[in-house]
Amino acid sequence: KAGVTQTPRYLIKTRGQQVTLSCSPISGHRSVSWYQQTPGQGLQFLFEYFSETQRNKGNFPGRFSGRQFSNSRSEMNVSTLELGDSALYLCASSLRASGTYNEQFFGPGTRLTVL
Amino acid sequence: DAKTTQPTSMDCAEGRAANLPCNHSTISGNEYVYWYRQIHSQGPQYIIHGLKNNETNEMASLIITEDRKSSTLILPHATLRDTAVYYCIVRVGRDDKIIFGKGTRLHILP
Repeated sequence: KAGVTQTPRYLIKTRGQQVTLSCSPISGHRSVSWYQQTPGQGLQFLFEYFSETQRNKGNFPGRFSGRQFSNSRSEMNVSTLELGDSALYLCASSLRASGTYNEQFFGPGTRLTVL
Repeated sequence: DAKTTQPTSMDCAEGRAANLPCNHSTISGNEYVYWYRQIHSQGPQYIIHGLKNNETNEMASLIITEDRKSSTLILPHATLRDTAVYYCIVRVGRDDKIIFGKGTRLHILP
């Protein structure tokens, strides 16, 4: 079974631009979560989507948004990029089925550099 | 905020058991203890989880104290491939979001 895929793997943007990152979960998984990882703050939870609805949200400004499509694929968008948004963005998928342990499977991440 | 405290780093000789401690003194009765690890340049990988009882799988063992205020992850025969950052996390049930702390950087020494 194919794992979680994220595109692109690397991205360079300049301040003020916006960016869209994509995540394809494992086939059959309906939940997608996004995380930001930086050397200073570590791994921080951004948000989780399940069945096209945002279920949980971390403490990030409104510039960070996401959505999930009917095929469970998810995108996250960051508008008006700042230098501090440079980070590894990780996506994780889980089954989230009732009565099933919902282990999260992480993708390789998208490394975003803001210049 | 993370609800766990872990040492910043640890060393372990190859072939020996690696014992990684975690304090979660404010854990609630319905919160599970989870362990993930992150090998350099990869996404985190699930290792094991538990509620009250000790747990074992093909990767590791999880020992939870009777008062549930601390736990230990045991890698029985550490190899160089176990070099990673290990995260101890508490979360409510299956649906709670995962809050990662700083983790423990485990160095396996040849």
